[in-house]
Amino acid sequence: GDSVTQTEGLVTVTEGLPVMLNCTYQTAYSDVAFFWYVQYLNEAPKLLLRSSTDNKRTEHQGFHATLHKSSSSFHLQKSSVQLSDSALYYCALRMSNYNVLYFGSGTKLTVEP
Amino acid sequence: EAAVTQSPRNKVAVTGGKVTLSCNQTNNHNNMYWYRQDTGHGLRLIHYSYGAGSTEKGDIPDGYKASRPSQENFSLILELATPSQTSVYFCASGDAKGTEVFFGKGTRLTVV
Repeated sequence: GDSVTQTEGLVTVTEGLPVMLNCTYQTAYSDVAFFWYVQYLNEAPKLLLRSSTDNKRTEHQGFHATLHKSSSSFHLQKSSVQLSDSALYYCALRMSNYNVLYFGSGTKLTVEP
Repeated sequence: EAAVTQSPRNKVAVTGGKVTLSCNQTNNHNNMYWYRQDTGHGLRLIHYSYGAGSTEKGDIPDGYKASRPSQENFSLILELATPSQTSVYFCASGDAKGTEVFFGKGTRLTVV
């Protein structure tokens, strides 16, 4: 079946250093879109960025991700993290036929001084 | 800014009791969703709806019912609550194109 995998449950990074949060997927559908949602403590998840175009870099709020269909991946990256980036990050996919978001298990990012 | 409002925000229920979680959206979105959030599992889809009068089963529908009486409202019903349903529940709405989904602030449910 269709699924999204986030292998790291917890990631701790020192402020100012780069980070990459992994997201891989499995789907039988070719017409799909991918999303990263961010959830700050005691808040609702909200959209960080999205993409449906293979090999095109998408950027928002200093984060970027590139969909690579060849490797079934949509990793989230930032070149220099800030303390305020500490949050729970979810990768998700949507098949166009169903308009439903399927989420991975989430990665908690902690940025330390 | 899209608005999705959940009520109650916190709820303590007894095992075997009936619980209704309510969700209202003012975005005029066709699609609405109920997810539960648990550590290690992320956001899992319980039920969703494509419009008033429709409900669809998500990945984990057992023990839950849903009701969509109008475009604006989508309820999640636990007829016989169990401790395993202790969780944080999120309602969300999205447009027909699925370009973005907007979440409510969540309901923390504890079943004792």
